[in-house]
Amino acid sequence: EPEVTQTPSHQVTQMGQEVILRCVPISNHLYFYWYRQILGQKVEFLVSFYNNEISEKSEIFDDQFSVERPDGSNFTLKIRSTKLEDSAMYFCASSFYRLGEAFFGQGTRLTVV
Amino acid sequence: DAKTTQPNSMESNEEEPVHLPCNHSTISGTDYIHWYRQLPSQGPEYVIHGLTSNVNNRMASLAIAEDRKSSTLILHRATLRDAAVYYCILRGQETSGSRLTFGEGTQLTVNP
Repeated sequence: EPEVTQTPSHQVTQMGQEVILRCVPISNHLYFYWYRQILGQKVEFLVSFYNNEISEKSEIFDDQFSVERPDGSNFTLKIRSTKLEDSAMYFCASSFYRLGEAFFGQGTRLTVV
Repeated sequence: DAKTTQPNSMESNEEEPVHLPCNHSTISGTDYIHWYRQLPSQGPEYVIHGLTSNVNNRMASLAIAEDRKSSTLILHRATLRDAAVYYCILRGQETSGSRLTFGEGTQLTVNP
């Protein structure tokens, strides 16, 4: 069964460093998303991406964040200068239809020290 | 965002049916009702979605009230693997855009 894959599963980084989280969405999907979940809190929407541009972003997704689809298969989330409060699980998701079912990856646990 | 209301927690016994309720009294005509679940230490997992009619798939059934102001996710025979947080989410062009807005959900405990 097709699945969304994320790498790495766990990343530890120093405060102020840049990190890139990687995702391979399901191959024929058209809509791509990033969500995050701080430990013990709700899953929060960050950004959606369609047709090579951001279609929607939340207030969390400030100038420190960027997304890119550098080729036909990868979808990345970059955090330019990490803060302690960026520590969270980051989930990538994809869907074929805009309002259809979304499929999530297993997440990358980002720890900023 | 249109709000949904779910009980904080529910318990079930293994191999018994489970009915997870969700109220969404402010639903708009174009909102789809989506259900996701999150098992411990995993990403959210799609369960089922519907618009007006009841829906069935291999995982569950979704019963939608005639006025669409409430819905019920039905797990026909709960297993220990079904222990998770279940989220009822409205998804519509005007309501949510492309985002899924996760609330607190219902923590389902399945007893052996």
